[in-house]
Amino acid sequence: DTGVSQDPRHKITKRGQNVTFRCDPISEHNRLYWYRQTLGQGPEFLTYFQNEAQLEKSRLLSDRFSAERPKGSFSTLEIQRTEQGDSAMYLCASSLRGGAEAFFGQGTRLTVV
Amino acid sequence: AQKVTQAQTEISVVEKEDVTLDCVYETRDTTYYLFWYKQPPSGELVFLIRRNSFDEQNEISGRYSWNFQKSTSSFNFTITASQVVDSAVYFCALSEAGGSNYKLTFGKGTLLTVNP
Repeated sequence: DTGVSQDPRHKITKRGQNVTFRCDPISEHNRLYWYRQTLGQGPEFLTYFQNEAQLEKSRLLSDRFSAERPKGSFSTLEIQRTEQGDSAMYLCASSLRGGAEAFFGQGTRLTVV
Repeated sequence: AQKVTQAQTEISVVEKEDVTLDCVYETRDTTYYLFWYKQPPSGELVFLIRRNSFDEQNEISGRYSWNFQKSTSSFNFTITASQVVDSAVYFCALSEAGGSNYKLTFGKGTLLTVNP
């Protein structure tokens, strides 16, 4: 499978715990995006990498969130001290260049109890 | 600031009916890109089409067609002879070229249900 891969698909965690999600983009894509989608809404932009550089972070991304993309390959999104409001689908996407279509992974559904 | 409005929250049709999903966008950029994505119950967003702001030609792909009109800032999507497998949430999205990130701004989506 050469599409965008995300792991895990589902995560249930207790409030206050830390969680980490992984995204493996399409191999030749240098742009990688994280989005968050809550029920009944469209995805909202969280952050963007070009190669290994994190070039933009949304105001939605509080200090408890951190994302990395070491060596410009896979990316991780960590949420520290999770809150119930963090419950959502976290989507990763990659694209070959600016303006090109972005391809999405199947997402990680986070439930904070 | 960019914005995408999908006024139709839910649409229900009977199989073989034609259905049009509306999308209206706002942007200050003269160069931008418009997209449609499909999100079936499995959750994965599936890319359907990309148009750039300089190309107003309508496009047809099988049962799908898209009508891009800059004069009304609309990018509507029509499914001809709908099928049950078309049931999904459909998102319209906008990407501005003014910045360097080309992030997507999505509408809230339209839930299409095609009944047999």
